[in-house]
Amino acid sequence: DQQVKQNSPSLSVQEGRISILNCDYTNSMFDYFLWYKKYPAEGPTFLISISSIKDKNEDGRFTVFLNKSAKHLSLHIVPSQPGDSAVYFCAASTSGTYKYIFGTGTRLKVLA
Amino acid sequence: NAGVTQTPKFQVLKTGQSMTLQCAQDMNHNSMYWYRQDPGMGLRLIYYSASEGTTDKGEVPNGYNVSRLNKREFSLRLESAAPSQTSVYFCASILGQGLIEGYTFGSGTRLTVV
Repeated sequence: DQQVKQNSPSLSVQEGRISILNCDYTNSMFDYFLWYKKYPAEGPTFLISISSIKDKNEDGRFTVFLNKSAKHLSLHIVPSQPGDSAVYFCAASTSGTYKYIFGTGTRLKVLA
Repeated sequence: NAGVTQTPKFQVLKTGQSMTLQCAQDMNHNSMYWYRQDPGMGLRLIYYSASEGTTDKGEVPNGYNVSRLNKREFSLRLESAAPSQTSVYFCASILGQGLIEGYTFGSGTRLTVV
């Protein structure tokens, strides 16, 4: 039973345009959410986070939006760059559980 | 500052062999984790250790055991390897006082069981 779902396995975007990666979750107890980026042959690296008390968090070109009523979060990358080409994982956790549940990932390709 | 170090980076095992994957962190983190990554399955939690002296099962613990040797080290053991355990294994750690900062991951161990 997949509690965190990324329904788009892949996404291609032109350089300079916006990339939107989506993530849905089923567990209403989740209150922390993260996005990770992963390049081939490397471990995932932390990108941006949001807690359930917020609906938006920005860090440079990256913005995460959280819609608690829809149990949906999204990552916006503006403008997209070729170096953003990677697999992106969303992850969710409930405070006090000390663990994150990950989605299946979306492979983003930014075309020059 | 090495972060999270995993050894070995690559390993080929025969079915039924045993091995231990090693993980060490130098960030004084309290919590450590083992995940496996499989195509189309994302990252799935095998075992974790919220603090030194404790370990708990994750989503897919069958066929594995763990040891939190001290605050720095968390090892994953396959007692009798099976082809279904062919995967990329990632160790991660977190300070543990709040989850919002996210894990630090190692670079992974690619394991093939033939």
